[in-house]
Order: sequence, then structure tokens, then C-alpha cells
Amino acid sequence: QQKLQESGPGLVKPSETLSLTCIVSGDSITTSNYYWGWIRLPPGKGLEWIGTISYSGSTDYSPSLKGRVSISVDTSKNQFSLRLYSVTAADTAVYYCSKKNGGTSRIDYWGQGTLVTVSS
Amino acid sequence: QSALTQPASVSGSPGQSITISCTGTSSDIGAYNYVAWFQQHPGKAPQLMIYDVNSRPSGVSSRFSGSKSGNTASLTISGLQTEDEADYYCCSYTSSISWVFGGGTKLTVL
Repeated sequence: QQKLQESGPGLVKPSETLSLTCIVSGDSITTSNYYWGWIRLPPGKGLEWIGTISYSGSTDYSPSLKGRVSISVDTSKNQFSLRLYSVTAADTAVYYCSKKNGGTSRIDYWGQGTLVTVSS
Repeated sequence: QSALTQPASVSGSPGQSITISCTGTSSDIGAYNYVAWFQQHPGKAPQLMIYDVNSRPSGVSSRFSGSKSGNTASLTISGLQTEDEADYYCCSYTSSISWVFGGGTKLTVL
């Protein structure tokens, strides 16, 4: 049974960098055909896909966030991370990490979510 | 990439059936059979209900079913139960090598 757990600061100042980590347990982050991703839920709005990193390290990002986002993997700690640069109040959201199987739309494991507020 | 279009809200009585639509374009829903549906209760993480248009993960009730026609996908819930009251989101792969969600639909079970 896989488990994902987000961690990171709950408050970030405008123009600074939002950094979150997702610790994966119950499976190896390098398992073939797994894609690890980040999705957010802004207050009062719908879910928004941020990006994914594959088991081989390749990344895909939302076109609307490309240039401000980076996802990386630390295989030694079995975790992956999100960095969102130059944040504004519009980046305030609950951030979820997730796991998807390759070649499908099966996003079958989610972290519990962590609220990040952008405010001075 | 614009969000997929879902009705803001739908409602039904216990035992009834409801359908939630999700409209995209020929660059997302119309192009791929990679459509998923998620249920989200307040304060909880989303839960996968349907993937690849009409496949159901183990553990999800057979009352939930998915379909697609052209650029529109649909989620049908039969035999509505009070615990089905939640927000529902559709999601599709896109030709931009990315994923896009719908704006969400609030289901009320009267």
C-alpha cells in the first residue's frame, strides 16, 4: 500500500520560492512506469495540474506555469519535490502530491494535501 | 490550456441517477481516451472513481460509470446515496503533453 505525505512551509512571502517535498512509502520512487506529480486546489476554485516527473526523471509541466516550476526526485530519500518560483497570492492553494501509472489516466494515490498561503 | 467545462452543480434524490458532463475540445477529450473522474469530500484528498473513460478501480462501487462521446465525457452515478454528496472533477490528457481538470461539480443529494 503506497502512502504519500507532503511537507513544507505553510506560509511563503510574495516573490519568494515555494518548496514542498513528498515522501513516498510502500514502494520505490524509481519503479518502472510510475509518474509522480503535483496538483493544487486554490480556494474556491477547481483542481489544477502542476506537473509530473517520471520514474526515469523526465518532466512535464503545466503550460501556464512553465518557467516558474521545477519538479525533482531524490532517489536516496525516496521522495520528490516541487519548487514554484516568484509566487503571488494567486499561488495560494492546497497542494497535493500524487502518483500516476504511465500510459493511463489512473492517478490512484494522493497525499493528504498541505495548505500553502502566499502573504507578506 | 483552458479548463474543461463542467456544470457548477447537480442534485438528485436518494436512489435516483444523475449524470455529470465534462466538455473539452478535439485537443483533449476528443483526442485521447485518457479521461478520469475524481470525487472529493470537503477537507479530503481527491479519490479516483473512473479512469481511461470507463474503467473503475477496485473498491469503487459499480454505481459509478463513465463514458465519452466526441469532445464530451460523462460520469453517471446510479442509485444515489447520501455519501455520494461531494465535489466531482473530470481530468483529461491534452495534446500539449499536459493534463487539464474541469472546474468541478458540486453534487447535492436531497
